[in-house]
Amino acid sequence: EVQLVESGGGLVQPGRSMKLSCAASGFTFNNYDMAWVCQAPKKGLEWVATISYDGSSTYYRDSVKGRFTISRDNAKSTLYLQMDSLRSEDTATYYCARLDPFWFAYWGQGTLVTVSS
Amino acid sequence: DIRMTQSPASLSASLGETVNIECLASEDIYSDLAWYQQKPGKSPQLLIYNANSLQNGVPSRFSGSGSGTQYSLKINSLQSEDVATYFCQQYNNYPFTFGSGTKLEIK
Repeated sequence: EVQLVESGGGLVQPGRSMKLSCAASGFTFNNYDMAWVCQAPKKGLEWVATISYDGSSTYYRDSVKGRFTISRDNAKSTLYLQMDSLRSEDTATYYCARLDPFWFAYWGQGTLVTVSS
Repeated sequence: DIRMTQSPASLSASLGETVNIECLASEDIYSDLAWYQQKPGKSPQLLIYNANSLQNGVPSRFSGSGSGTQYSLKINSLQSEDVATYFCQQYNNYPFTFGSGTKLEIK
């Protein structure tokens, strides 16, 4: 069974950093591109970033370019999202998702990031 | 960026009814479209990909259609467990973009 379990969310002050993790199991992690998708409270879904199966390619939405970094450790079957210079508008639940190969076939349960002083 | 305009924003229907949700892309996305269901308090789940392919395990009362810029999700014989918000998403081009969602309730 495919499982994606996010962790690392919480309350953080504006301008500070936070790193999210997503532990994957139930599939061969290094065969799949992975992504982060966020959802602000009571709002819609927004794609954040994608990383290729081997980590060689990354893609970001404009609003996080230069502030967020997606990475992966295939030996640990873990996806990461390093979030720097956080803003109040980054407040959201962050989901990791497996791409199959272009649609989000599996989602984690999400981790809430709240940016507030 | 490709803009996805989804309608209606909310929908109320009776059990057993058929409902349709529409998604209009701002440019041709060549059927690179997925539909997701998000139940209250849960993460989204994939229903349809490539505009009309049903994901494994999804009930056959769900179906997708469309091409070019216009797409739709149809739910036949509405069940109580279908109460959810539905989102379309294009993956023809980065940045991947989602529709704003359709909240489906039972009348």
